[in-house]
Amino acid sequence: GAVVSQHPSRVICKSGTSVKIECRSLDFQATTMFWYRQFPKQSLMLMATSNEGSKATYEQGVEKDKFLINHASLTLSTLTVTSAHPEDSSFYICSAREPRGISGNTIYFGEGSWLTVV
Amino acid sequence: DAKTTQPPSMDCAEGRAANLPCNHSTISGNEYVYWYRQIHSQGPQYIIHGLKNNETNEMASLIITEDRKSSTLILPHATLRDTAVYYCIVRVEGGADGLTFGKGTHLIIQP
Repeated sequence: GAVVSQHPSRVICKSGTSVKIECRSLDFQATTMFWYRQFPKQSLMLMATSNEGSKATYEQGVEKDKFLINHASLTLSTLTVTSAHPEDSSFYICSAREPRGISGNTIYFGEGSWLTVV
Repeated sequence: DAKTTQPPSMDCAEGRAANLPCNHSTISGNEYVYWYRQIHSQGPQYIIHGLKNNETNEMASLIITEDRKSSTLILPHATLRDTAVYYCIVRVEGGADGLTFGKGTHLIIQP
């Protein structure tokens, strides 16, 4: 399957600072990427849909000014958690939709990024 | 996207076939059945998807009933590394929306 990579895999930041997570599609161009958040023992929750060259679409209840998403190229989307607080500590996962191909617009996921805010 | 129903947990002996059921009685004609799994502390991994015909790849087989209201994911020879949460999701192939995850089935492979 197609490969999606996230960086960093783990990050610790101080409360009040901002942290950026990168998501790259390594072997395909992704016009659409998605960002999820997962708290312990819970399922993945979609935060936002990122379309290359346009503003992201956020799910209800997700603060767009706090979770800044940039999708400046067909292989890179970034999520910046601004003014992070301990309650933002979570597992953040990106995914990318493969263009029409063998697996027909299948969505592939990155490895995830653990954010701990202290 | 249509809703799916899966058992919360299942056990399977190592080396045996693991059969994971999924009900999707409200599936629409243009919706595919997708299966993903999530091993602890990792991102979800795509396994297989299908519309109405049975599908097989190097990881698993997908059996979809004729009325498309349910399906079964089969891992033919389960190993300890197959212990994970398995998600059954229905969506339109190429749909613009992200995937909606339910609680999935926690499959535990016993040695």
